Amino acid sequence: DGGITQSPKYLFRKEGQNVTLSCEQNLNHDAMYWYRQDPGQGLRLIYYSQIVNDFQKGDIAEGYSVSREKKESFPLTVTSAQKNPTAFYLCASDGGTNQPQHFGDGTRLSIL
Amino acid sequence: GENVEQHPSTLSVQEGDSAVIKCTYSDSASNYFPWYKQELGKRPQLIIDIRSNVGEKKDQRIAVTLNKTAKHFSLHITETQPEDSAVYFCAAIDLDNYGQNFVFGPGTRLSVLP
Repeated sequence: DGGITQSPKYLFRKEGQNVTLSCEQNLNHDAMYWYRQDPGQGLRLIYYSQIVNDFQKGDIAEGYSVSREKKESFPLTVTSAQKNPTAFYLCASDGGTNQPQHFGDGTRLSIL
Repeated sequence: GENVEQHPSTLSVQEGDSAVIKCTYSDSASNYFPWYKQELGKRPQLIIDIRSNVGEKKDQRIAVTLNKTAKHFSLHITETQPEDSAVYFCAAIDLDNYGQNFVFGPGTRLSVLP
């Protein structure tokens, strides 16, 4: 089945550590996105990429980094500079204009 | 840029009643408005969408209406069931503008009481 796979489902990090969240899609979508979701809040855009080897900052990019070396993959690194990283992280993709976004199952990141 | 507001933030209805969630947007260029349903701990799922050339769209118990003049669109759920309980997000985007991103509303937590 085509879809978006995020791993791991749960992730624990010690303070001061960088951690990378995986997002893979086999939908042949050009565009991929990372959102952060906090309790009682909507989806906030961290980074997005509309084509391989190109990505743009979203609304809350500070403390995060991404890469887009392959069309299928858009990993998100939560760096030690992110002061409040505990959240639910959602990856999404779409096929370009006139297409809705499809979401992965999310990764829940917690700080030990 | 686009700004999307969503009301109410929480909504409780009795099973069998109707539920209405309203979103307003600021950018008159936005032309695509999807609605997502997110159950606890799960991914948002697209449930219905509407484009700006249509005023209303219906899919079984779910309908969406769009008022372009007033820049608002609403989700209507009829004959609500307990499984409709979830958080619902609206979004807006100008699909013709390459580089635009979906802007989501803050969400509405719907509780359907048996």
